Amino acid sequence: EAQVTQNPRYLITVTGKKLTVTCSQNMNHEYMSWYRQDPGLGLRQIYYSMNVEVTDKGDVPEGYKVSRKEKRNFPLILESPSPNQTSLYFCASSFTSLAGGTDTQYFGPGTRLTVL
Amino acid sequence: AQSVTQPDIHITVSEGASLELRCNYSYGATPYLFWYVQSPGQGLQLLLKYFSGDTLVQGIKGFEAEFKRSQSSFNLRKPSVHWSDAAEYFCAVGYHNNNDMRFGAGTRLTVKP
Repeated sequence: EAQVTQNPRYLITVTGKKLTVTCSQNMNHEYMSWYRQDPGLGLRQIYYSMNVEVTDKGDVPEGYKVSRKEKRNFPLILESPSPNQTSLYFCASSFTSLAGGTDTQYFGPGTRLTVL
Repeated sequence: AQSVTQPDIHITVSEGASLELRCNYSYGATPYLFWYVQSPGQGLQLLLKYFSGDTLVQGIKGFEAEFKRSQSSFNLRKPSVHWSDAAEYFCAVGYHNNNDMRFGAGTRLTVKP
């Protein structure tokens, strides 16, 4: 089954304790992206990756890191989480369109993170 | 700066009534336009998209949307809403050779019996 998986689905942590949220896709997509969803703000892009070893900042990259060592995986790293990073996080992947922009994105189920 | 506006935070319609959700974007270049739906506790699922060609696009679940360049709009419509359409709807815009995606804040749809 084609899917994007994220782990963990729920996480409660404390300020400053490093954490990683994993994301994996089995569709051989080049493009992967991380978003955070906050009430009234919709989805805001954190980082995206056009392919292996190619990453770039989105709208709200501060406090986050990513890596893309393999095509299927795109982990999101919070080196020193703070309460303002409490949010619902989504990973997404897609093929790139013929014209070069991103095409239909497939979303993971989300990770609800609480930082105390 | 690129932005996407969904003017309606919450809309309530009766089952069987027609629906229109508004989306406006700001940018001069030709955008790629998407509508996604998010059911409670779920990720987002694509309803439809516009890249080029016919400005009226058909999607899944009976939805359609029309791209109007002169109004910078991409409104989503459905002629007859079903109770299962209750969800949150997001308009998204991507740009050619610009790989960031911008999402609107979302419109929550409530369907009355």
